[in-house]
Amino acid sequence: GAGVSQSPRYKVAKRGQDVALRCDPISGHVSLFWYQQALGQGPEFLTYFQNEAQLDKSGLPSDRFFAERPEGSVSTLKIQRTQQEDSAVYLCASSARRSNSNQPQHFGDGTRLSIL
Amino acid sequence: SQQGEEDPQALSIQEGENATMNCSYKTSINNLQWYRQNSGRGLVHLILIRSNEREKHSGRLRVTLDTSKKSSSLLITASRAADTASYFCATPIIQGAQKLVFGQGTRLTINP
Repeated sequence: GAGVSQSPRYKVAKRGQDVALRCDPISGHVSLFWYQQALGQGPEFLTYFQNEAQLDKSGLPSDRFFAERPEGSVSTLKIQRTQQEDSAVYLCASSARRSNSNQPQHFGDGTRLSIL
Repeated sequence: SQQGEEDPQALSIQEGENATMNCSYKTSINNLQWYRQNSGRGLVHLILIRSNEREKHSGRLRVTLDTSKKSSSLLITASRAADTASYFCATPIIQGAQKLVFGQGTRLTINP
């Protein structure tokens, strides 16, 4: 497909379980971002990859959150020992070039995570 | 933390009317971007205005930027039911990762 693809679209987990969310960026896009969006709010930055390198993880809320992009394409966001406050929509975005803010980001439809 | 604040938080108008949304931000910027989000979907990039530009047009969209007031506005002319969505302004952090900082959004409802 031509756009950013995220899976699963919906995930329900019990508190304490681990979850893994997948992002397939647009082919060839160098930059990849993860955002967290609470209900009724704007997205908030979690982490950024340039190819396989994680250059910024300042937005990850705790050490329970971990992201990787081992081959510079697909990325996985993992949340360990989930808590109810982790319930949110997790959005992935990619952009074509590195280190250039004058370009748009292309978003997937997100994974809606619900922790019971 | 969120950089921008949109105003109003919600807006409901009749089809065919114009819709204006405002955004304020806090720090210096290279550009400001507007995105649309339909319910249950991801964000779609609408328009980017650079810090040295004052106005930009794209179809029925008009964006203005006033860097002295740290504010921007998005005007949608001749609104359609399909314009119903949430609209967010976003600014990239200047150094490093080009991560976007979003406002809380304006929920726009177009009534047929």
